Amino acid sequence: EDKVVQSPLSLVVHEGDTVTLNCSYEVTNFRSLLWYKQEKKAPTFLFMLTSSGIEKKSGRLSSILDKKELFSILNITATQTGDSAVYLCAVELRDSGAGSYQLTFGKGTKLSVIP
Amino acid sequence: EAQVTQNPRYLITVTGKKLTVTCSQNMNHEYMSWYRQDPGLGLRQIYYSMNVEVTDKGDVPEGYKVSRKEKRNFPLILESPSPNQTSLYFCASRPDRGLLTEAFFGQGTRLTVV
Repeated sequence: EDKVVQSPLSLVVHEGDTVTLNCSYEVTNFRSLLWYKQEKKAPTFLFMLTSSGIEKKSGRLSSILDKKELFSILNITATQTGDSAVYLCAVELRDSGAGSYQLTFGKGTKLSVIP
Repeated sequence: EAQVTQNPRYLITVTGKKLTVTCSQNMNHEYMSWYRQDPGLGLRQIYYSMNVEVTDKGDVPEGYKVSRKEKRNFPLILESPSPNQTSLYFCASRPDRGLLTEAFFGQGTRLTVV
């Protein structure tokens, strides 16, 4: 069974701290890994990772994938209260020949940033 | 503006009363899907569609139906809702599966079945 596990499930930090969120996976036919941020409504896209070792960066957020060890991390530096959200990791499974592809989500990490 | 639109945003209904949640996208995406999100369980896929008239079950399809008569629309139908279908529902769309792109999500529908 395909599995995506995020840790920790919740995290409370102070403004200015640096946080690392983890996502490990066990899936057949990996195609890509995606990170989303969810603030009480629709998930919004952050990063898509397909290759190991290539860091994706956007402002204070960055992410990297390790396809050998089957995990990804999402780093947030100098956290702000606006970073408070649930961060979702999803793995896309490659076309299985039946013509389907799906995103399998982890349960998310709830990040709370306090002033 | 490129978007996925769900309606209604909030719905309270009674057990057994049929309902439909609509989903429409204006990006000409082939692939559309429905998820439900529950505390502690994350996002779970209900149904998906790879194109018009092509639908398939996701991880939790029981109690739900879908249809894809037009490319832009993918309604979710609950023929006889039950309280265990109280949840937050998201519709999502993506372009053809050959492209490496993210899924675009609607704003969500919070459904309560009493």
